[in-house]
Amino acid sequence: DQQVKQNSPSLSVQEGRISILNCDYTNSMFDYFLWYKKYPAEGPTFLISISSIKDKNEDGRFTVFLNKSAKHLSLHIVPSQPGDSAVYFCAATPRSQKLVFGQGTRLTINP
Amino acid sequence: DAGVIQSPRHEVTEMGQEVTLRCKPISGHNSLFWYRQTMMRGLELLIYFNNNVPIDDSGMPEDRFSAKMPNASFSTLKIQPSEPRDSAVYFCASRGGDVGYGYTFGSGTRLTVV
Repeated sequence: DQQVKQNSPSLSVQEGRISILNCDYTNSMFDYFLWYKKYPAEGPTFLISISSIKDKNEDGRFTVFLNKSAKHLSLHIVPSQPGDSAVYFCAATPRSQKLVFGQGTRLTINP
Repeated sequence: DAGVIQSPRHEVTEMGQEVTLRCKPISGHNSLFWYRQTMMRGLELLIYFNNNVPIDDSGMPEDRFSAKMPNASFSTLKIQPSEPRDSAVYFCASRGGDVGYGYTFGSGTRLTVV
């Protein structure tokens, strides 16, 4: 039962352009959504989060959008930089307890 | 702040042997989580503790796995006996406040059971 889904295993974007990573969820009890970034041989690093009472949260080049009716969230990175190349995980938590992760999307930024 | 510290970074062991993974959470964090990452299942939660008490161990695959948190600064995940299918990267994470600030992960332990 995959409650959090990232349907794109990989994404390739040109440097300077916008990267859009997508995530869908099925559990309406989720009340917080987070994005993590992971480099090889390192643990996931927290990037940005959004509460279910909001539809947008912005932090520098990173913006997360939440569409509760569609049970969909997305991460926008503008402009994309080579250092953004990593695996991105979407995660969600019900009642602020355990995190449930998606399968991840490998983002490659091309010069 | 040294972050979440896991040891060892790499472990290679023979099938049937006991394996113990260790984690030191960030000081002051009151929640600790053990995750396992595999190609097939991605990042899956094994068990988590609040204030040193196990809250949800529904993700622990079977009785061969056990976890303890004897105090606020130390946790262990033990596999006995280990099997080749236990090969994975095991992550420990801790959280101290509002979930909106995220969970801090350690660098992980890569376990290989041969």
